Amino acid sequence: DGGITQSPKYLFRKEGQNVTLSCEQNLNHDAMYWYRQDPGQGLRLIYYSQIVNDFQKGDIAEGYSVSREKKESFPLTVTSAQKNPTAFYLCASSRMNSGNTIYFGEGSWLTVV
Amino acid sequence: QKEVEQNSGPLSVPEGAIASLNCTYSDRGSQSFFWYRQYSGKSPELIMSIYSNGDQEDGRFTAQLNKASQYVSLLIRDSQPSDSATYLCAVNGISGGYNKLIFGAGTRLAVHP
Repeated sequence: DGGITQSPKYLFRKEGQNVTLSCEQNLNHDAMYWYRQDPGQGLRLIYYSQIVNDFQKGDIAEGYSVSREKKESFPLTVTSAQKNPTAFYLCASSRMNSGNTIYFGEGSWLTVV
Repeated sequence: QKEVEQNSGPLSVPEGAIASLNCTYSDRGSQSFFWYRQYSGKSPELIMSIYSNGDQEDGRFTAQLNKASQYVSLLIRDSQPSDSATYLCAVNGISGGYNKLIFGAGTRLAVHP
């Protein structure tokens, strides 16, 4: 099946720990995105990438890092510098020049313990 | 002023009625407009996209766009309990030098039998 796969679905992080969320797509989309959603709020863009080996900061990039070594993969690392990381993280992708229609993975819940 | 504004709701409608969801945006240069549905704890799924003024229909859903007034709406006819969800409005815009989708905080719809 074509789609966007995020893992893990649930993740617990200890204080001061880095964690990495995986995102893989087999839709042959050029662009990939990471969004964060807090309860009762909209989606906020963390990072996005339009091509391999290139990515740009979104609105809330501080405390996060990404890489785009392959077209299919766009992992997100939540570093210890992110002081309030508990949230729902959504990976998305889109074709270039598609009017920005983006499609989402199933999401990953990150909780700090 | 928020870039994309939605009434947070909840909007409560009886089963079989028409639900009307509204969204206003601030960037007059926006060209692409989207409605996503998000069930609690799940990722958003695309319902409608609209790019030109007027109405666009898809089954029970109609998207309406008025660029002069900077609003986009979603009508759901014959509302069903399964339509109960949060509806996110998304608008493309230029921010920080790149084109991106900007999401509203969403309107929660409750359809009661």
